[in-house]
Amino acid sequence: RKEVEQDPGPFNVPEGATVAFNCTYSNSASQSFFWYRQDCRKEPKLLMSVYSSGNEDGRFTAQLNRASQYISLLIRDSKLSDSATYLCVVNRGGFKTIFGAGTRLFVKA
Amino acid sequence: DTGVSQNPRHKITKRGQNVTFRCDPISEHNRLYWYRQTLGQGPEFLTYFQNEAQLEKSRLLSDRFSAERPKGSFSTLEIQRTEQGDSAMYLCASEGDGYNSPLHFGNGTRLTVT
Repeated sequence: RKEVEQDPGPFNVPEGATVAFNCTYSNSASQSFFWYRQDCRKEPKLLMSVYSSGNEDGRFTAQLNRASQYISLLIRDSKLSDSATYLCVVNRGGFKTIFGAGTRLFVKA
Repeated sequence: DTGVSQNPRHKITKRGQNVTFRCDPISEHNRLYWYRQTLGQGPEFLTYFQNEAQLEKSRLLSDRFSAERPKGSFSTLEIQRTEQGDSAMYLCASEGDGYNSPLHFGNGTRLTVT
């Protein structure tokens, strides 16, 4: 079993839709959590950190459930430009940053 | 541009040749990482530097791979006797000292071994 697991998708949604991704992690000692976005053949870029109380950045909302060891990302009012791969990232402390395989999102007009 | 810089962007080499990639991290970042990413997978950790010290190496990093960060600034990753299975995107990332600091990635070096 992988330490960080994501549904690979792809998720195909129309513009304006709301879409949610989940991610589970296996190591209960994990300390910090992030969502990264990766466009095709480009490097990953930080989308947002995930805080215990949940946090929002515009159309994006991230939540963390430590008891169940999962993280979620909600995208509201999807735009064509949101089409990308979304990587769930977990840090176990120090250098131990583990990436999920990513969830692919396609937003269609 | 004060981001992480990697070169070359692309490298095509024949099996058995040696290749070297360079990474220039964000100048104030002491932590530097190398990752490898293949199609459909997330980045996989290869090695980590705190300043010039290489503190951790993944078991993915066979003895054909070596990384250096001689002055705690730029880093190089060398692959000797390349194999077709080494074809991948090699990503460098740097990180600030703060708690919960995210990784900042360079645009990667795409290696193709023919």
